[in-house]
Amino acid sequence: SYELTQPPSVSVSPGQTVSITCSGDKLGDKYACWYQQKPGQSPVLVIYQDSRRPSGIPERFSGSNSGNTATLTITGTQSMDEADYYCQAWDSSTWVFGGGTKLTVL
Amino acid sequence: QVQLQESGPGLVKPSETLSLTCTVSGGSIGTYYWSWIRQPPGKGLEWIGYIYNSGSHMSNPSLKSRVTTSVDMSKNQFSLRLSSVTAADTAVYYCARDGGGSHGLDYWGQGTMVTVSS
Repeated sequence: SYELTQPPSVSVSPGQTVSITCSGDKLGDKYACWYQQKPGQSPVLVIYQDSRRPSGIPERFSGSNSGNTATLTITGTQSMDEADYYCQAWDSSTWVFGGGTKLTVL
Repeated sequence: QVQLQESGPGLVKPSETLSLTCTVSGGSIGTYYWSWIRQPPGKGLEWIGYIYNSGSHMSNPSLKSRVTTSVDMSKNQFSLRLSSVTAADTAVYYCARDGGGSHGLDYWGQGTMVTVSS
């Protein structure tokens, strides 16, 4: 079965730029999505089709996908961005989630 | 604004069948795929399966033999049945609108906690 690998945790200082990676075999040949989940809340889609932002998602969130790695980048990170982030890809007509990355804004 | 609401028992006995329903408001259930996702306490997200209005469906291979999904167009609802549950099925269960392989899961319910215990 297809697997997506994320770092368990990443930290960043307020105002800085942070990137969260998601690795999978030939992931660049598939579309990647990213979700933000804050404690006690449902996940929120922040990136789809590798780099598109849904309505209402701040411009500081961006995405890319090439080779075996998809990347979520937050530019000018704010304290409100502290959350768990999950990548997701479509493989063989099924969805696969990465294990999640806890982003800490120090 | 599309809204989703999960409903169903919060406690299920081992070996029994977990049954949940998701009610969709603010939009028709007829033109999208609809997914179920779960999250065990303190762990990550796991996709369970999706269904389309035609009845076409797909499930996570790791759960496939235990998962049944259905849709009721007249009630704007879709449902999940997970058979032969064990403690490992204890999780928050979410329903979500599924835009397909390129658009992701763009609307989510608030989630419902289901505990498997005797």
